[in-house]
Amino acid sequence: DVKVTQSSRYLVKRTGEKVFLECVQDMDHENMFWYRQDPGLGLRLIYFSYDVKMKEKGDIPEGYSVSREKKERFSLILESASTNQTSMYLCASSQNGGGTDEQYFGPGTRLTVT
Amino acid sequence: GENVEQHPSTLSVQEGDSAVIKCTYSDSASNYFPWYKQELGKRPQLIIDIRSNVGEKKDQRIAVTLNKTAKHFSLHITETQPEDSAVYFCAVNSGGYQKVTFGIGTKLQVIP
Repeated sequence: DVKVTQSSRYLVKRTGEKVFLECVQDMDHENMFWYRQDPGLGLRLIYFSYDVKMKEKGDIPEGYSVSREKKERFSLILESASTNQTSMYLCASSQNGGGTDEQYFGPGTRLTVT
Repeated sequence: GENVEQHPSTLSVQEGDSAVIKCTYSDSASNYFPWYKQELGKRPQLIIDIRSNVGEKKDQRIAVTLNKTAKHFSLHITETQPEDSAVYFCAVNSGGYQKVTFGIGTKLQVIP
């Protein structure tokens, strides 16, 4: 049974803070993804990674960066948090390319930036 | 990039009735079309997917149909039950085969 975990369920940060969101998967999946979910906008891809140390921009990468130093771990970094980054953040992983295979999601981190 | 339109955004049906959610896409090269269900407070989970070499796929009360010529696909849920109440997302692969683009979601309410 695939398990994708995220470091926090709820997080409150102040404007300008550096924020780290971490995601870990235990199924040796090659691909990992970070999405943000906002009402009326669905799931929007921020960044994804198809291998260790590899990363690709998604549809809304501005204001974010990522790190994948180990296969099982994918981190999302907000260099200087802003109020418009208040959102639900979902991590996902897939065995094959994310465009051809099921994605397994984590429980999400609800980030509030004040 | 890929443009995915999903409608309706909300849908209310009586228990036992059918529900249909439709999505259109823009990239004729797309060939993978998954549907995810997200119950309140939970993570999205895949419920059914279809690839472009088939026109229809069924799994018990759930079916998906694909019309590649018209670039649209639909989710059909028959004999709806209260536990079907959730947000449903369609998705389409784009940017090669590395990622999918999601629709905005449809909030389905099944009224007992």
